[in-house]
Amino acid sequence: DAKTTQPNSMESNEEEPVHLPCNHSTISGTDYIHWYRQLPSQGPEYVIHGLTSNVNNRMASLAIAEDRKSSTLILHRATLRDAAVYYCILYNAGGTSYGKLTFGQGTILTVHP
Amino acid sequence: NAGVMQNPRHLVRRRGQEARLRCSPMKGHSHVYWYRQLPEEGLKFMVYLQKENIIDESGMPKERFSAEFPKEGPSILRIQQVVRGDSAAYFCASSPPVRVNTEAFFGQGTRLTVV
Repeated sequence: DAKTTQPNSMESNEEEPVHLPCNHSTISGTDYIHWYRQLPSQGPEYVIHGLTSNVNNRMASLAIAEDRKSSTLILHRATLRDAAVYYCILYNAGGTSYGKLTFGQGTILTVHP
Repeated sequence: NAGVMQNPRHLVRRRGQEARLRCSPMKGHSHVYWYRQLPEEGLKFMVYLQKENIIDESGMPKERFSAEFPKEGPSILRIQQVVRGDSAAYFCASSPPVRVNTEAFFGQGTRLTVV
């Protein structure tokens, strides 16, 4: 599986934007970039995904570099409820990895009031 | 539409006992995945099942662990003769039949404590 690299931790203040980076220099052409987050004592929760173009949904935005070797998850206005571990995952629908998500260590986001 | 349901939420077993963890996928989902999260670690894939079939069990320990997803009823992750090292949170996820780039839905997990 192609690997992702994320900072171990980041901090933000409430109501401020947060940019969570992810490097994936070995990404293949068919890999989708998925983001999940895990709140304390909860199961992971889907946030957003993309392939080549930037994506927006009600939770966040995903900015994908032109060469696709990195991406950034953007939380436009962090709230205390956004404090979680954020996972950047490369997902390939085909081959032996079909259906399987490979989680790394993720980024622990702390939001200060 | 209820989400992925796991039960029990908390399970305590003595060493040597059996643990049975249940997962009911979302309605219409025929694909189930089990993950394990050891204390202070990330989630690790264990097994991927479709109805009555194990598709990928590459993450399952070779002994004592088994999983099934019968035609009727929930998926079951069974751990025989539990040891302290099995203490972890076990998460189940489900997805619809055609999963190209769609999301997986996770349950709240079962926290197994072996005493």
